[in-house]
Amino acid sequence: GESVGLHLPTLSVQEGDNSIINCAYSNSASDYFIWYKQESGKGPQFIIDIRSNMDKRQGQRVTVLLNKTVKHLSLQIAATQPGDSAVYFCAENVNSGYALNFGKGTSLLVTP
Amino acid sequence: DVKVTQSSRYLVKRTGEKVFLECVQDMDHENMFWYRQDPGLGLRLIYFSYDVKMKEKGDIPEGYSVSREKKERFSLILESASTNQTSMYLCASSLVQGVQPQHFGDGTRLSIL
Repeated sequence: GESVGLHLPTLSVQEGDNSIINCAYSNSASDYFIWYKQESGKGPQFIIDIRSNMDKRQGQRVTVLLNKTVKHLSLQIAATQPGDSAVYFCAENVNSGYALNFGKGTSLLVTP
Repeated sequence: DVKVTQSSRYLVKRTGEKVFLECVQDMDHENMFWYRQDPGLGLRLIYFSYDVKMKEKGDIPEGYSVSREKKERFSLILESASTNQTSMYLCASSLVQGVQPQHFGDGTRLSIL
């Protein structure tokens, strides 16, 4: 479904800056969220996930924030590197069902 | 690490042919999925399977069928390929739905001429 959306189709950041990629969802029953990174010619790669009973989760250089009040999800990448250039997708899982709903993706371009 | 392997990276077939896309996962995952990815449309679910010999339709099953005879292998079949099935096909697997992520293969870029 199209309940998952992204605010910006493209994002350009300078190397070393922090990046923030946003995602909105509309289904209150969404209970699990995932961020994927897709490089050219490859399949989506899992980055980080978060369940709806949390509002923040941190990984290595990445942080996901979940605001259930406004149905908003964000991915923060610290000290962005050229290797971070890719398309980033958020995905939602509704009622612990089998399928994921994917956003259309944000293209992140890291410039030197 | 989870490994999802799709048998072909690129495939060219002709209209009307029967096409088989194969996917194998090595992590004993219960669930397997087939998506297609098209510019501007994102990832769309074609079929999924939650157990051997079990299958469920996704959002766009028309023109496709699937087979899961063994837990590790999930096949997508285009019964009679058409040009509008030219796309990137992605296979994924997951252990437990709703609490663990799906892991993807690198895709098969299929062209139907």
